[in-house]
Amino acid sequence: DAKTTQPPSMDCAEGRAANLPCNHSTISGNEYVYWYRQIHSQGPQYIIHGLKNNETNEMASLIITEDRKSSTLILPHATLRDTAVYYCIVRGINTGTASKLTFGTGTRLQVTL
Amino acid sequence: AAGVIQSPRHLIKEKRETATLKCYPIPRHDTVYWYQQGPGQDPQFLISFYEKMQSDKGSIPDRFSAQQFSDYHSELNMSSLELGDSALYFCASSLVGQPEQFFGPGTRLTVL
Repeated sequence: DAKTTQPPSMDCAEGRAANLPCNHSTISGNEYVYWYRQIHSQGPQYIIHGLKNNETNEMASLIITEDRKSSTLILPHATLRDTAVYYCIVRGINTGTASKLTFGTGTRLQVTL
Repeated sequence: AAGVIQSPRHLIKEKRETATLKCYPIPRHDTVYWYQQGPGQDPQFLISFYEKMQSDKGSIPDRFSAQQFSDYHSELNMSSLELGDSALYFCASSLVGQPEQFFGPGTRLTVL
């Protein structure tokens, strides 16, 4: 799985958009970009994933650059409950076998009043 | 909706003792993963099972073993416990080929 690079920490004011960047310059054609988050000591939680098109769900939006070497997770209106470590993970999907998640160091997002 | 169940939630053991952690995946999920998260560390993959067969293996010590049973629940057995085994152990489940892994609340193991 491709290696990812994220800033170690970011701050965001409550109600503002949080934009979390991720570099994955060695991503291969069949690998997806996933985002998970971990709120203090809880189990990681899936947020969103994408291959090359931008994606949006009820939690967030994912913007992937055209060359797929970087992406940005957008939380449109951050709340205090979004304070967590956010992990960008590049992973292939294989049918018929389990595909592990390889967690890097992630970005610690602190949402403040 | 049913979630991944892990038991026990907390476990305290002495060095050189044995521990067994249990994981009950979401119904109809066929794949189970185990991850270890040491204090201040990021989760690290240990081992996974698909349809009761070992699928992948990470940096799991030889003192650890795991299996998935016919009802799809999984157990992680840890022997000759060391102080460094103190960590949060997460189990996750998924349907193979589906993008999302669902994580349980974790078992906090403390080795004294």
